[in-house]
Amino acid sequence: QLQLQESGPGLVKPSETLSLTCTVSGGSISSSSYYWGWIRQPPGKGLEWIGSIYYSGSTYYNPSLKSRVTISVDTSKNQFSLKLSSVTAADTAVYYCGCVPRPSGWFDPWGQGTLVTVSS
Amino acid sequence: EIVMTQSPATLSVSPGERATLSCRASQSVSSNLAWYQQKPGQAPRLLIYGASTRATGIPARFSGSGSGTEFTLTISSLQSEDFAVYYCQQYNNWPPTWTFGQGTKVEIK
Repeated sequence: QLQLQESGPGLVKPSETLSLTCTVSGGSISSSSYYWGWIRQPPGKGLEWIGSIYYSGSTYYNPSLKSRVTISVDTSKNQFSLKLSSVTAADTAVYYCGCVPRPSGWFDPWGQGTLVTVSS
Repeated sequence: EIVMTQSPATLSVSPGERATLSCRASQSVSSNLAWYQQKPGQAPRLLIYGASTRATGIPARFSGSGSGTEFTLTISSLQSEDFAVYYCQQYNNWPPTWTFGQGTKVEIK
């Protein structure tokens, strides 16, 4: 049974780069059976898809964030990562990682989420 | 870019009553539609996928319908544990992209 866990700093300064890692257990991130993705949720607001990656390294990003987002995969650690550059207070959110079993399009399971606050 | 619009924003329902939530896509998404339930402090949980198939362990009181641009999530008889926020989400096959609706909060009347 797949399990995902987010990790990374809970506080990031404005204009800096937010970096998070999602560790996958119970399955291989190198499997061709999954997309791996990041979703965020500002406090009191809805869900926003940030981007996804395939084990081959192919990436797909939300057009509204594409210029600032990089998602990568580390098969040796069974992890994938998110970098979001030039952050502002508007990037304060709970960040979730999730798995999309191919060929479905549904996120299942999700990590528990991690709150990242952008503040000086 | 496909936009997902949910209505209403808030739905007030008494326990035991039926709840009907709507989700509209700005263009056809076929049956590439999922519904999630989110409770405070928790990650979203998959309820329905493929517009109408219940995920593993989801009670039969949850049902989904629709295709193309109009979708409905119905909770036949609301239980106390069903009061939560519900999101729809579409999946575009190529290039792979995902879009969520803004959510519907189901609250106790």
